[in-house]
Amino acid sequence: DSGVTQTPKHLITATGQRVTLRCSPRSGDLSVYWYQQSLDQGLQFLIQYYNGEERAKGNILERFSAQQFPDLHSELNLSSLELGDSALYFCASSLLAGSTDTQYFGPGTRLTVL
Amino acid sequence: QQQVKQSPQSLIVQKGGISIINCAYENTAFDYFPWYQQFPGKGPALLIAIRPDVSEKKEGRFTISFNKSAKQFSLHIMDSQPGDSATYFCAASRISSGSARQLTFGSGTQLTVLP
Repeated sequence: DSGVTQTPKHLITATGQRVTLRCSPRSGDLSVYWYQQSLDQGLQFLIQYYNGEERAKGNILERFSAQQFPDLHSELNLSSLELGDSALYFCASSLLAGSTDTQYFGPGTRLTVL
Repeated sequence: QQQVKQSPQSLIVQKGGISIINCAYENTAFDYFPWYQQFPGKGPALLIAIRPDVSEKKEGRFTISFNKSAKQFSLHIMDSQPGDSATYFCAASRISSGSARQLTFGSGTQLTVLP
């Protein structure tokens, strides 16, 4: 158990809908990362937050957004969902933002868009 | 320039054998190279990592070999066990704008160790 929790574990929804994925980092970690894992794209970095502020953006679509709250949990919002958004979404956390601290991954949320 | 190329895509090894997974990168700004192990239904977990000023790092049965001039690094699993059956991802990391550190992952290698 990495100490990173993600809810829900599974999510099934329809095209055009909006969903919110939630992540609680390990106790003491200030940095949260979101990744998308799909069969054709592999594991792709989406976005990073550090202590409530956005720090880095990767291959995140404009339909997706995220935030980190004062209690350091983070939410990833996916809107106008398309079939191609079906994937595993992982949250990871680390102590700091720019160091080589280990990123600890949560168990993931499997999103299925029908 | 952000890509990390990983091979092979899948690997089958007999118990007790050596598993070797290779990765190559282009961006010389990468300065940290971790390997992650992922079991089905789980998130990736850090296995071992290396910095480019070291040519080899060993932790138990797992060894990373690093060739800075060739921009290649590899994971060797000695005495492979059925419990090592998992997907392995190499990754490369660099400082980006905003003093953030991003991981760029390889495409993954599905390792099966036969009993």
